Amino acid sequence: DTGVSQDPRHKITKRGQNVTFRCDPISEHNRLYWYRQTLGQGPEFLTYFQNEAQLEKSRLLSDRFSAERPKGSFSTLEIQRTEQGDSAMYLCASSFAARTDTQYFGPGTRLTVL
Amino acid sequence: DQQVKQNSPSLSVQEGRISILNCDYTNSMFDYFLWYKKYPAEGPTFLISISSIKDKNEDGRFTVFLNKSAKHLSLHIVPSQPGDSAVYFCAARDFSGATNKLIFGTGTLLAVQP
Repeated sequence: DTGVSQDPRHKITKRGQNVTFRCDPISEHNRLYWYRQTLGQGPEFLTYFQNEAQLEKSRLLSDRFSAERPKGSFSTLEIQRTEQGDSAMYLCASSFAARTDTQYFGPGTRLTVL
Repeated sequence: DQQVKQNSPSLSVQEGRISILNCDYTNSMFDYFLWYKKYPAEGPTFLISISSIKDKNEDGRFTVFLNKSAKHLSLHIVPSQPGDSAVYFCAARDFSGATNKLIFGTGTLLAVQP
């Protein structure tokens, strides 16, 4: 049984560079979420996909952020022209549309922008 | 504005005793509440949830209580074990939109002393 996986686990980049993260959800899950967690805070919602459709984006997601989920399977989150304020843990979660709809999280990608 | 609040940043409990973690919320549209446990450098792990139509849910050593009139929930761990030491996040599901996104509290660090 494989859970949600994320790659890479850690990313260190210089300010102004572009970075891309990948999330592979649990195979039968059709819903996929991205969250961001900074030190001392709980995870904050960024965006949501149902199958391949991106149905909601948080105000936290500036124009420099883009997410895709081609074919409704894995998802990518790209940050262009990174800033030091983008340093955070980026978490992916998936769920199966049902009444409980429990979200299961991956291990996260820790981004450090120098 | 913080819709989900965990007012205790930390809690220390002796092994074998009860741990009680508290959470308050402000939004009456929340329909489901979840507790997640998080170890450093890992993603949150789902522990237990409760629907807004119930007042108690139990799973092994973990029990969640919901008081809707007070907009308050608590997680009880009995008996506490050293392996329970982690950060615990309370989360509420926002059913007002189509996404079922989770709103998290800031977490409580539980330390179980042997």
